[in-house]
Amino acid sequence: LAKTTQPISMDSYEGQEVNITCSHNNIATNDYITWYQQFPSQGPRFIIQGYKTKVTNEVASLFIPADRKSSTLSLPRVSLSDTAVYYCLVVPDTGRRALTFGSGTRLQVQP
Amino acid sequence: NAGVTQTPKFQVLKTGQSMTLQCAQDMNHNSMYWYRQDPGMGLRLIYYSASEGTTDKGEVPNGYNVSRLNKREFSLRLESAAPSQTSVYFCASSGGDTSGRTDTQYFGPGTRLTVL
Repeated sequence: LAKTTQPISMDSYEGQEVNITCSHNNIATNDYITWYQQFPSQGPRFIIQGYKTKVTNEVASLFIPADRKSSTLSLPRVSLSDTAVYYCLVVPDTGRRALTFGSGTRLQVQP
Repeated sequence: NAGVTQTPKFQVLKTGQSMTLQCAQDMNHNSMYWYRQDPGMGLRLIYYSASEGTTDKGEVPNGYNVSRLNKREFSLRLESAAPSQTSVYFCASSGGDTSGRTDTQYFGPGTRLTVL
C-alpha cells in the first residue's frame, strides 16, 4: 500500500483558499487518490477522488500532476465550518477495499 | 435512509468484561468495516467483510472478533476488554464494486468506549 505524507496542521482565515498537499511517492499505476474529511466526534466523510489531472466537485478541487507522486486538495473560500481533519488516502486496485488512514491534516479556520 | 447506524454511542467497561458493538447499514452495501481511532490518530482497520459470509483481519485484529450476521449487520465483539482498547470505534460500509478503487466508504457516528 502506498504511504502518504501530509502536513500535521494548517491554519487559515475565513474566505481564503486552502491547499493541502499530500505526497505518495510509491503510488501504483492503478491506484486512485481519495480525500476524506472528519469533523470532531463524527466519522470521516468522502470529499473527492481522482486519478490524474484535475477533478472538481461542489466541495473541493483535486490537482494531480502527471507523475502522480503528490496531490493537492484545494478548498475555495473556507468558512469556520471547514475546520476539520483532512485525510489523503491512496486506494489500491488490488481487490482489497479497506482504507489506510494516516494522521491527516488538522485544518483550523479562524474568523 | 439512516445510512450507517451504530449502537451504543457510549460505553464504559471494566477490564475483563465483554461486549458487542452493533452496526447496521441500509444502503444495500456488500462490504462493511470496523475501525478504531485513538486520540489524535488516524483510523486503523480492525476487521472487514468484503461480502456477506466473509470476514478478514485488518491491521489491528487482536482482542476482537466479528460476525457478519447478514448483509445489513456487522458486529464487533470484545471478549475480554483491556484498557488498551479504549478508543472510538467506527463502522463503515461501501458498495463493494469489483474494481475497489472507486469504493466510497460511508461511516457511522462512532462508539466511544472506555475500559477502566
